[in-house]
Amino acid sequence: GNSVTQMEGPVTLSEEAFLTINCTYTATGYPSLFWYVQYPGEGLQLLLKATKADDKGSNKGFEATYRKETTSFHLEKGSVQVSDSAVYFCALNTNAGKSTFGDGTTLTVKP
Amino acid sequence: GAVVSQHPSWVICKSGTSVKIECRSLDFQATTMFWYRQFPKQSLMLMATSNEGSKATYEQGVEKDKFLINHASLTLSTLTVTSAHPEDSSFYICSARSTVLTGELFFGEGSRLTVL
Repeated sequence: GNSVTQMEGPVTLSEEAFLTINCTYTATGYPSLFWYVQYPGEGLQLLLKATKADDKGSNKGFEATYRKETTSFHLEKGSVQVSDSAVYFCALNTNAGKSTFGDGTTLTVKP
Repeated sequence: GAVVSQHPSWVICKSGTSVKIECRSLDFQATTMFWYRQFPKQSLMLMATSNEGSKATYEQGVEKDKFLINHASLTLSTLTVTSAHPEDSSFYICSARSTVLTGELFFGEGSRLTVL
């Protein structure tokens, strides 16, 4: 079956630090890959996505590149802000089937 | 982007009562909606897949008679927690997949249920 493995948290960074949250996956076929973000007390929001190998998704300074050879979709941001504090979920979807989520990584950014 | 709205965002009820949570896709039609449960500081647990016009598909371990799901139209799915008990207290989240876009899920804001 499909699975997503995320870097364990929590992650605590100082403002303007570089962020990497690792995500690797196993899937049959050619999945689409997603990063979702959940702010405290809210539902999930799509942060970025990539639908095929070598695609780079980007949004709000965050980036992730779909690496088929390493089955990875690591999330990066060059300079984090306090407002980026949230839980980040990596997810995959194959052919409009059920999505598979990672366990989530909690990021706390301190001023 | 597409918008999914959940209502109510939070609800407190007495043990033994039933609670209905609505999930609406506001600007697109969703043939498929998903219901999740999320415990504090944990990931989403898929409870069931709701398909418009047919019975929901429940994940293993989820009680069908406890969590009633109805998807009567392309824009509305409801989750009813029947005879709620304190252990049903949780954050319930719905998501919808557009009939046009493939793969991307749009999430509701979540509904916090507290059973006293």
